[in-house]
Amino acid sequence: QAQLQESGPGLVRPSETLSLTCTVSGGSTIDYYWSWIRQSPGEGLEWIGHIYSSGNTNYNPSLKSRVTLSMDTSKSQVSLKMTSVTAADTAVYYCARELGIGDAFDVWGQGTLVTVSS
Amino acid sequence: QSALTQPASVSGSPGQSITISCTGTSRDVGGYIYVSWYQQHPGKAPKLIMSEVKNRPSGVSDRFSGSKSGNTASLTISGLQAEDEADYYCSSYTSSNSVVFGGGTQLTVL
Repeated sequence: QAQLQESGPGLVRPSETLSLTCTVSGGSTIDYYWSWIRQSPGEGLEWIGHIYSSGNTNYNPSLKSRVTLSMDTSKSQVSLKMTSVTAADTAVYYCARELGIGDAFDVWGQGTLVTVSS
Repeated sequence: QSALTQPASVSGSPGQSITISCTGTSRDVGGYIYVSWYQQHPGKAPKLIMSEVKNRPSGVSDRFSGSKSGNTASLTISGLQAEDEADYYCSSYTSSNSVVFGGGTQLTVL
């Protein structure tokens, strides 16, 4: 069974770039979509975007201008970059495996809290 | 894209059944089979409990069932147990090649 682990800085300054990595173990990154999903404190889930092993991406329209996803299949890693962050981007960030485009998220990482503050 | 609409909270007594609705539009819930449900306990990552409207992943109790009618999907939990107390989220694929979640429903087992 695949396991996902998010990693990256827990504190990011306002206006800077948030960078996170999701490392996949126990399974292949090939032939799956990999999503990033976030949850602000006390709030619901928000889909950020996903990437396929071919490099094809789709993004949440509300975040598209600030988000870039990339994948390194040789390292089994999926990366998220979000520019020009504000306090509103403070959240727990999850990576998740998607069974197919738009299909269910069947495997989730434990999540990592990112706080945007000066 | 607008979040799918879920009731903020529902409650029920042990042994009872409850249903959580998830309302969208023809561009998401009504247009695709890719409606999923997730259970999230405090401080934990969400767990998939229903995919493609009504498919239960292996290991998920058969007390959970899913359905859809028009632009509204529903999750029913029968024989409520204390361990079912959690937040529940629906999600759907959309015509914009994106995914949208519901606002979440807090289930309280009385």
